[in-house]
Amino acid sequence: GESVGLHLPTLSVQEGDNSIINCAYSNSASDYFIWYKQESGKGPQFIIDIRSNMDKRQGQRVTVLLNKTVKHLSLQIAATQPGDSAVYFCAEIYQGAQKLVFGQGTRLTINP
Amino acid sequence: DAGITQSPRHKVTETGTPVTLRCHQTENHRYMYWYRQDPGHGLRLIHYSYGVKDTDKGEVSDGYSVSRSKTEDFLLTLESATSSQTSVYFCAIGAGASTGELFFGEGSRLTVL
Repeated sequence: GESVGLHLPTLSVQEGDNSIINCAYSNSASDYFIWYKQESGKGPQFIIDIRSNMDKRQGQRVTVLLNKTVKHLSLQIAATQPGDSAVYFCAEIYQGAQKLVFGQGTRLTINP
Repeated sequence: DAGITQSPRHKVTETGTPVTLRCHQTENHRYMYWYRQDPGHGLRLIHYSYGVKDTDKGEVSDGYSVSRSKTEDFLLTLESATSSQTSVYFCAIGAGASTGELFFGEGSRLTVL
């Protein structure tokens, strides 16, 4: 698939455990952040977003945490399932811009 | 399915030849984007469009041009393909990056020999 061959940081977790994927963003002026999931052979898919006036946002089995002091973003996936295997990207948007800037990505693999 | 189609999905061409990739949407979204994805670089923005005939450059626009003559179509052209343009190209659509999610196509794998 399209994501095969990407030399990415890898996180391996046991099925059923919680996963935490981290991202350091670059621009202190960024005010909107999004996590995307990319399965092999497919385009990225929106998971969850958070704006800079928030510290935490929860979705279904996912939580995003934002620490603006150290410019750090994390994605927590609860009770990881085999279908969660994918590459996860964080993306940031500079204030007022209409362009997403993507991080390098993390490959999540699930051990049975 | 967000109503976005990329064509061709796979293409092999030779250095120096022109190549055009097409992104077609049925969602009537205002914004359309072209990204490329390469090992070690993630997704990088090439060009984007914020309306018919309105386009702007991204971070890796050299060697690429775009056109949008209709709301539904956004074309990416490599006037003279080089091996460094071997990549997977993704189109994305949305109401605006800062207003919510973008929907991505399935990607077009281009190999320049």
